[in-house]
Amino acid sequence: EAQVTQNPRYLITVTGKKLTVTCSQNMNHEYMSWYRQDPGLGLRQIYYSMNVEVTDKGDVPEGYKVSRKEKRNFPLILESPSPNQTSLYFCASSLSGSAVQETQYFGPGTRLLVL
Amino acid sequence: AQSVTQPDIHITVSEGASLELRCNYSYGATPYLFWYVQSPGQGLQLLLKYFSGDTLVQGIKGFEAEFKRSQSSFNLRKPSVHWSDAAEYFCAVGIGIYNQFYFGTGTSLTVIP
Repeated sequence: EAQVTQNPRYLITVTGKKLTVTCSQNMNHEYMSWYRQDPGLGLRQIYYSMNVEVTDKGDVPEGYKVSRKEKRNFPLILESPSPNQTSLYFCASSLSGSAVQETQYFGPGTRLLVL
Repeated sequence: AQSVTQPDIHITVSEGASLELRCNYSYGATPYLFWYVQSPGQGLQLLLKYFSGDTLVQGIKGFEAEFKRSQSSFNLRKPSVHWSDAAEYFCAVGIGIYNQFYFGTGTSLTVIP
């Protein structure tokens, strides 16, 4: 089944403890992206990647890192999480690097609570 | 800066009634426009998209949207709402030169029997 998977789905952590949220897609998609969803703010793009080894900042990249070493994986790294990073995170992918013309396929989301 | 506005935070409609969800964007050129739906506890699913051509676009689940350049709007419509349409709806704009996306704050739809 074609899908975007995220792990973990739920995570509670403490301030400053490094964490990684994994994202994987099995559709051979070029473009991958991370969003955070907060009440009243909708979805905001954190980072995106148009291809392997090519990543770029979205609207709210502060406090996050990403890497794209393989086409299928796009992990989101929080080196030193803070409570303001408590949010619902979505990974998404689309077929080509010209993602603005294409459908994005979203993962199920990761709910993160930073204490 | 680019922005997407969904002025209605929450809408309640009766089953069988018509629906219109509003979306306005701010961008110098014609952007790529999308509507996504998010059911409770789920990721987002594309309903429809507009790039060029016919300004009335058809999507899945009986939804349609109309692009109006003069009003910078891309409103979503459905002639007869079903209880299963209860969800959160997001309008989004894709900016081609940056390959970035901007989403509205969402409209939550409640359908009453």
